[in-house]
Amino acid sequence: DAKTTQPTSMDCAEGRAANLPCNHSTISGNEYVYWYRQIHSQGPQYIIHGLKNNETNEMASLIITEDRKSSTLILPHATLRDTAVYYCIVRVAGTNAGKSTFGDGTTLTVKP
Amino acid sequence: GAGVSQTPSNKVTEKGKYVELRCDPISGHTALYWYRQSLGQGPEFLIYFQGTGAADDSGLPNDRFFAVRPEGSVSTLKIQRTERGDSAVYLCASSPRTSGRYNEQFFGPGTRLTVL
Repeated sequence: DAKTTQPTSMDCAEGRAANLPCNHSTISGNEYVYWYRQIHSQGPQYIIHGLKNNETNEMASLIITEDRKSSTLILPHATLRDTAVYYCIVRVAGTNAGKSTFGDGTTLTVKP
Repeated sequence: GAGVSQTPSNKVTEKGKYVELRCDPISGHTALYWYRQSLGQGPEFLIYFQGTGAADDSGLPNDRFFAVRPEGSVSTLKIQRTERGDSAVYLCASSPRTSGRYNEQFFGPGTRLTVL
């Protein structure tokens, strides 16, 4: 699996949009971009994933650049409960999807 | 519905002892993964099952670690002759065997293992 690089930490004001970047310059054509987050003392929680088109769900939006070498996770209106470690992963999807290779993620702190 | 459950939630053992960690995946999920997470780091892959068989065990650090999934549902991670360096949170995840979009992994809360 390709590796990703993320900033170690970011702050965001409550109610504002949080934009979390991720670089994945060696991504392969059949690899998806997945985002998970981990709130203290819990297991990682799936947020969203995409291949090349932008994606949106009830939790977040995912913007993938045209060359697929980077992406941005957007939390449109961050709340204090969004404080967590956010992991960007690239991974093959489909029936033969295997392991996820996690880096150390971005620690997002939402401040009042 | 029930999510992934792991037992025990906490396990304290002495160096050299044997431990078993259990994972109950979401019903019907055919893929099951074990990861371990040290403080301040992201989860590290250990082993992945598709059904009863280990499809990828490349992350197991040495032969003291072994995992089974005899009936394709519950899995047990077994650690022999535990060492202090084995102390970590052991995470289990499951995933449905479907193509396309629905391939996210659902994680359990983890088992915190402390080796004294």
